[in-house]
Amino acid sequence: NAGVTQTPKFQVLKTGQSMTLQCAQDMNHNSMYWYRQDPGMGLRLIYYSASEGTTDKGEVPNGYNVSRLNKREFSLRLESAAPSQTSVYFCASSEYYNEQFFGPGTRLTVL
Amino acid sequence: SQQGEEDPQALSIQEGENATMNCSYKTSINNLQWYRQNSGRGLVHLILIRSNEREKHSGRLRVTLDTSKKSSSLLITASRAADTASYFCATGLSGGFKTIFGAGTRLFVKA
Repeated sequence: NAGVTQTPKFQVLKTGQSMTLQCAQDMNHNSMYWYRQDPGMGLRLIYYSASEGTTDKGEVPNGYNVSRLNKREFSLRLESAAPSQTSVYFCASSEYYNEQFFGPGTRLTVL
Repeated sequence: SQQGEEDPQALSIQEGENATMNCSYKTSINNLQWYRQNSGRGLVHLILIRSNEREKHSGRLRVTLDTSKKSSSLLITASRAADTASYFCATGLSGGFKTIFGAGTRLFVKA
């Protein structure tokens, strides 16, 4: 039982490059989330998926797209990376209104 | 500004002392959660309190919720050096699945 897994753990991009962050959970949770955390700050919600087949914008969705591939997997795509997207990205899952379980994070640097 | 705001931003105490952190929020909530983050790691859920609850305990943790004042507090009793971490409150907003995090309180417990 791995919980929430994220790949990759680290990534360096050049401005304008694209990439997809992968997230998978094995807890059969309905809801999944993507957050970013900038140094010394809390988490900001980028997108979330309340259940399979639905996605909604969070606080800071600009520059990102998401795909809820199936109940287990929720990916985050940066189409044209910008230095302002340098951050640590966390994926989480939960059963509706209950506690969220977090992955270990992806540290992304955009040069 | 963020939905949840913690106070104080940083707290330094001696081992054995109690630590109290406060969280204020702005809009109606379904629940309020507290998380801990050790440096460089993902978040770990500590406790969830629903909007119709006033107090909840879990081990050395005590959480209170005052919906009339839109505030919550987290008390850690008999703190240990291992409690050194950042603590975040997160509000589950009414009518949806969004969870909004505050900027956190950095707790340092000196041995």
